[in-house]
Amino acid sequence: QVQLVESGGALVKPGGSLRLSCAASGFIFSEYYMTWFRQSPGKGLEWVSYINSGGDTTAYADSVEGRFTVSRDNTKNLVHLQLTNLRIEDTAVYYCVRSVRFWGQGTRVAVSA
Amino acid sequence: DVVMTQTPLSVSVTPGQPASISCRSSRSLLQSNGKTYLSWYLQKSGQSPQLLIYETSKRFSGVPDRFTGSGSETDFTLKISRVEAEDVGIYYCMQSLQFPLFTFGQGTKLEIK
Repeated sequence: QVQLVESGGALVKPGGSLRLSCAASGFIFSEYYMTWFRQSPGKGLEWVSYINSGGDTTAYADSVEGRFTVSRDNTKNLVHLQLTNLRIEDTAVYYCVRSVRFWGQGTRVAVSA
Repeated sequence: DVVMTQTPLSVSVTPGQPASISCRSSRSLLQSNGKTYLSWYLQKSGQSPQLLIYETSKRFSGVPDRFTGSGSETDFTLKISRVEAEDVGIYYCMQSLQFPLFTFGQGTKLEIK
């Protein structure tokens, strides 16, 4: 069955960086686009980024454009989200999602001084 | 960006009774291919969102048939024919017409009376 396991969430200071990873299994990873969504405490859902199956096309929400970078390794079934210049408002649970159908359990990012 | 608006924001239902949630988009979600890109998700407490309905009315694998999606263009409805205790959570509609820029409604909290 489809499994997505996120890791890398942590408590960081404003301006800091983190690298989130998502390990995928149970499907042919290289055939699917991947997305990242986030959910701030007590808030709704927000799309963050997209990467196509081959890894050569990406897209970002305006709120993270220029600060976050998504990448993937189809040989290791991994997708990464590099977060830089973090802001307090980036505090959220970050979800790795296959297409928009299968969601991981999420990893928490807290940005605080 | 397409703005999604859900009503009501909360609903309390007696088990066995029906429930209905509405979602309105700021522009038509009908694409030239004839598909209408509106999905519904349920997020149970402490869990990641799970897909219920995609392309307005198609039930995702394993979703009970008491869940029905309907609508067109800008107005959509999720109906639960007979609410069960396990249906408690927050329901979100999401548009994917502007792929890969996905946007969600604010969420509707369903509680049991």
